[in-house]
Amino acid sequence: GDSVTQMEGPVTLSEEAFLTINCTYTATGYPSLFWYVQYPGEGLQLLLKATKADDKGSNKGFEATYRKETTSFHLEKGSVQVSDSAVYFCALSDPPNTGNQFYFGTGTSLTVIP
Amino acid sequence: DTGVSQNPRHKITKRGQNVTFRCDPISEHNRLYWYRQTLGQGPEFLTYFQNEAQLEKSRLLSDRFSAERPKGSFSTLEIQRTEQGDSAMYLCASPPEGMRDRETQYFGPGTRLLVL
Repeated sequence: GDSVTQMEGPVTLSEEAFLTINCTYTATGYPSLFWYVQYPGEGLQLLLKATKADDKGSNKGFEATYRKETTSFHLEKGSVQVSDSAVYFCALSDPPNTGNQFYFGTGTSLTVIP
Repeated sequence: DTGVSQNPRHKITKRGQNVTFRCDPISEHNRLYWYRQTLGQGPEFLTYFQNEAQLEKSRLLSDRFSAERPKGSFSTLEIQRTEQGDSAMYLCASPPEGMRDRETQYFGPGTRLLVL
């Protein structure tokens, strides 16, 4: 079945460091891929998405490219800020094969220190 | 603010009691989802509504769980005879309608349940 595997956390970085959070997926068809962010005490917020191979999603300095050949959707940011401290979830949607539900990874906690 | 609201935000109950949560999705959004998120895990799908019809249910949704969406507007999730293992965050999601962006789900803030 469909699934998402995320890099284990927690991740601690200094401000202005480069961030990579790995995400790989398994899917029957051609899923859409998403990154959601969850700040402390809040619900999930959509960060970015890509709906087909080679698409790049971007938002707030974060980027992720849909790589079909490696079944990956790694999240990157060139210079993290303290305000980026949160839990990041990779997710996929594959409606033709798995209905309308989302499949989420286990989340990666990021702490950015000044 | 995603426009999806959930109440209550927190609920503490004793084992064996019944609890009910409410979700008010973005108005005029036909689809509504419930997820459960336990500590250190990603959200797991529970059930899905298209208007008032409950079209999909996860095997996680035991007989003690029931969800409704009368008139296709707000939805309720009830847990009967709560168990400590039910302690989790319960999330509601509502995707926008129309072909553009139809696969994105917008989440409410969640209801955090603690069963003592």
